[in-house]
Amino acid sequence: NAGVTQTPKFRVLKTGQSMTLLCAQDMNHEYMYWYRQDPGMGLRLIHYSVGEGTTAKGEVPDGYNVSRLKKQNFLLGLESAAPSQTSVYFCASSYSRPAGRTQYFGPGTRLLVL
Amino acid sequence: AQKVTQAQTEISVVEKEDVTLDCVYETRDTTYYLFWYKQPPSGELVFLIRRNSFDEQNEISGRYSWNFQKSTSSFNFTITASQVVDSAVYFCALSEGNTDKLIFGTGTRLQVFP
Repeated sequence: NAGVTQTPKFRVLKTGQSMTLLCAQDMNHEYMYWYRQDPGMGLRLIHYSVGEGTTAKGEVPDGYNVSRLKKQNFLLGLESAAPSQTSVYFCASSYSRPAGRTQYFGPGTRLLVL
Repeated sequence: AQKVTQAQTEISVVEKEDVTLDCVYETRDTTYYLFWYKQPPSGELVFLIRRNSFDEQNEISGRYSWNFQKSTSSFNFTITASQVVDSAVYFCALSEGNTDKLIFGTGTRLQVFP
């Protein structure tokens, strides 16, 4: 099992460019999440999904969109990148049961917006 | 509102010292879950432990131990006989029983010197 994988590992964008981050999991998890990690702020939830075809906003959703067309994939899109979106992005996944299920994280994507 | 506080930003110890990382949480729910994750210099997030609010038993796993006290809303993490490989950022996180979202603390950077 590869677990949770993220593509790409590192990317540099210019302000206004768009890109999509891909998260894939092979653990048959129902729930998937996108977080961003900024220095001194821990991880903050951007969007999450409780199943194929569903998405919901987290704590910091502005400037991002997501899609979950397949159970194993969760895409994070930046339509018009801004320097404030420079961050490390982590994807995670978990089972839907039991409650309080453990989230398992991917290796992260470093994004630099110039 | 939920909140996780890790007041210690950075701790430095010499190898073989014991060290305790503090975590204080706030929640209105009676059912919730607490987690610790480790983020080594390589950047990935490694799950360490999950504890539910009904289980106040302390847990020991090798050199790691966790002290959960509902009376003080704390879930502290102790490393006994620290080693250089323990150098990492450690995150405490909270998940309420009726949601699947993790609220992270800002992390504690532990540096273990030989």
